[in-house]
Amino acid sequence: DAGVIQSPRHEVTEMGQEVTLRCKPISGHDYLFWYRQTMMRGLELLIYFNNNVPIDDSGMPEDRFSAKMPNASFSTLKIQPSEPRDSAVYFCASSPRDSWRNGGYTFGSGTRLTVV
Amino acid sequence: GIQVEQSPPDLILQEGANSTLRCNFSDSVNNLQWFHQNPWGQLINLFYIPSGTKQNGRLSATTVATERYSLLYISSSQTTDSGVYFCAVYNSGGGADGLTFGKGTHLIIQP
Repeated sequence: DAGVIQSPRHEVTEMGQEVTLRCKPISGHDYLFWYRQTMMRGLELLIYFNNNVPIDDSGMPEDRFSAKMPNASFSTLKIQPSEPRDSAVYFCASSPRDSWRNGGYTFGSGTRLTVV
Repeated sequence: GIQVEQSPPDLILQEGANSTLRCNFSDSVNNLQWFHQNPWGQLINLFYIPSGTKQNGRLSATTVATERYSLLYISSSQTTDSGVYFCAVYNSGGGADGLTFGKGTHLIIQP
C-alpha cells in the first residue's frame, strides 16, 4: 500500500494565482480529510468527505477555498486567488469507514505552499 | 469547541533520557490520539488511547479520561525521537467535526 499520496510536495506561486493541491487516499478508505498547518494556528481541519460527499466544510477559511472529490481515489483542494496568508502545509488524510473516530487516520506527506 | 493544551511546548534532552509529555483537554472525548511529526514533516499515528494505558516499545501512553488528561512517555530517548508530538481528540458532543489538535510539544534529542 502506497499510503496517502499528495502532490505536489512543494508549491511556490505568486499572489493572485490559482493553486490546486491533489490527494489520492488509500484504496478502500471511505473518509478523506484536508488539514492545514501553520505556526500560528497549528493543525486545523478544513473539510472532510465521506464516500466522496462533503460532510463538513465549516473549517474552510473563505470562498477562495474549494474542495472536490470527483471519485473515491482523488480529491483536490483549490485556492483561487491565492494570498500570502495562505502559505502553510496542507495535509490530506484518509480513514476506513468510521474508524477515524477510533484511531484510523493515515496522513499524507503534505504539500508545502508558499505564496509570494 | 473542545480545547486541547499540551505541555511543555519545547523540550531538549540528551540521548538516553526519559521524558513525559502532557495533554489536557476541556471536555469528555471519544477518541484521543498521539501523533509524531518527524523533522521531514510526516505525521505518524502513535497511539489511539481514549482511556487506559498502552505500550509500544520505548513509548507508552496513559489517558485518564475522568480527569481529562493524557501522558506520553518516551524512555531511553534516541535522536530519531526528535520532532513534534501532537495530541488530538474527537468529541462527538458538538463543536467542529474531525480531530482537534493541540499545539504540540517540540522535542529535541541531542546526541
